[in-house]
Amino acid sequence: EAEVAQSPRYKITEKSQAVAFWCDPISGHATLYWYRQILGQGPELLVQFQDESVVDDSQLPKDRFSAERLKGVDSTLKIQPAELGDSAMYLCASRTGAQETQYFGPGTRLLVL
Amino acid sequence: GENVEQHPSTLSVQEGDSAVIKCTYSDSASNYFPWYKQELGKRPQLIIDIRSNVGEKKDQRIAVTLNKTAKHFSLHITETQPEDSAVYFCAARNFGNEKLTFGTGTRLTIIP
Repeated sequence: EAEVAQSPRYKITEKSQAVAFWCDPISGHATLYWYRQILGQGPELLVQFQDESVVDDSQLPKDRFSAERLKGVDSTLKIQPAELGDSAMYLCASRTGAQETQYFGPGTRLLVL
Repeated sequence: GENVEQHPSTLSVQEGDSAVIKCTYSDSASNYFPWYKQELGKRPQLIIDIRSNVGEKKDQRIAVTLNKTAKHFSLHITETQPEDSAVYFCAARNFGNEKLTFGTGTRLTIIP
């Protein structure tokens, strides 16, 4: 069964450093989402892509976060500079246009020291 | 925007008993309500979902009910088993912007 892939699974960085996360959605899934999940809370949407276009980035802190999906397939989420409050799980999800179900990747757990 | 509230935050149930988790939503335009199960250190996985044109849906031991008038929906797990222990999240999707808003989660513990 196809799954959403993410890397790295864990990342420890110092504040003010740059970090990047990668997501490879299920093949054929045009819609891709990046979520942030703080410990003990539900996922919160950061950015939504439809193919290579950003559909919703209203909750993305654009002064330090950026996301791209250049060829409409895999995607990268970047944080520069990282802050202590960015410590969280970063989840990627994807879905087809025909279904409503979002399939999640295993996430990248980020710890900023 | 949409606001989803979920209760309780923690729930302990004796093995074999039933568990019920409740969620309320604020946006009457929401039309899709999935439930995700997240085991420790693992990805959220869809366990059941319901659309606004349906009042109830069942899949083996799991059922979801929706009351559009009251804007609340509930997850019911019967004959609970140890492997049901996990964090459960409800979510609501707005028809207009397709955005999923999640509840804060319920940590369910099944006591053997």
